[in-house]
Amino acid sequence: DTGVSQDPRHKITKRGQNVTFRCDPISEHNRLYWYRQTLGQGPEFLTYFQNEAQLEKSRLLSDRFSAERPKGSFSTLEIQRTEQGDSAMYLCASSHTGTSGGGRDTQYFGPGTRLTVL
Amino acid sequence: SQQGEEDPQALSIQEGENATMNCSYKTSINNLQWYRQNSGRGLVHLILIRSNEREKHSGRLRVTLDTSKKSSSLLITASRAADTASYFCATANSGGSNYKLTFGKGTLLTVNP
Repeated sequence: DTGVSQDPRHKITKRGQNVTFRCDPISEHNRLYWYRQTLGQGPEFLTYFQNEAQLEKSRLLSDRFSAERPKGSFSTLEIQRTEQGDSAMYLCASSHTGTSGGGRDTQYFGPGTRLTVL
Repeated sequence: SQQGEEDPQALSIQEGENATMNCSYKTSINNLQWYRQNSGRGLVHLILIRSNEREKHSGRLRVTLDTSKKSSSLLITASRAADTASYFCATANSGGSNYKLTFGKGTLLTVNP
């Protein structure tokens, strides 16, 4: 199966520590997205890449957050100096911008990384 | 901020019955997508409907879109216990930011055997 994968699936850390998550998109997808989901809420957009370029960052993404997508393949999301309010599920999704087909614009999500900050 | 608002927030039905969930949104959209999420897991894409479409079907799913009322509905026919999950609608705005999805809070569907 070549769906979106995320690693790790779960991360428990102490407040003040840095954490890094990885996302591997579907191989032919040129767009990659990060979302955050807290309990009882829908996912909220964090940031978006087209190939290796980060084209938008939500105001939810404070200076402690940084995301990269070197070479337009996998992406990493790093949170520095974690706070308890960062506890959430971090979801990655990918899509392609082909000119035709029902799959265009459909975002396919990975299983998520659940972060718990103690 | 969350654009989509699903209604109802929770729905409990018996196996074999139909389930209808509604979604309202506020701004002009490029497309609307429905997702399913089992407890604590990632989102599974169900169906995408574009702003120039009014109805789409996929297996036991039927989605309608009324852009004049800024609303959509998801109908699951002949429900099964395995359909128990949270269902989210997500909108992609028209214009320059049509790549990012704005989700509602979801409808929690429970299908009792």
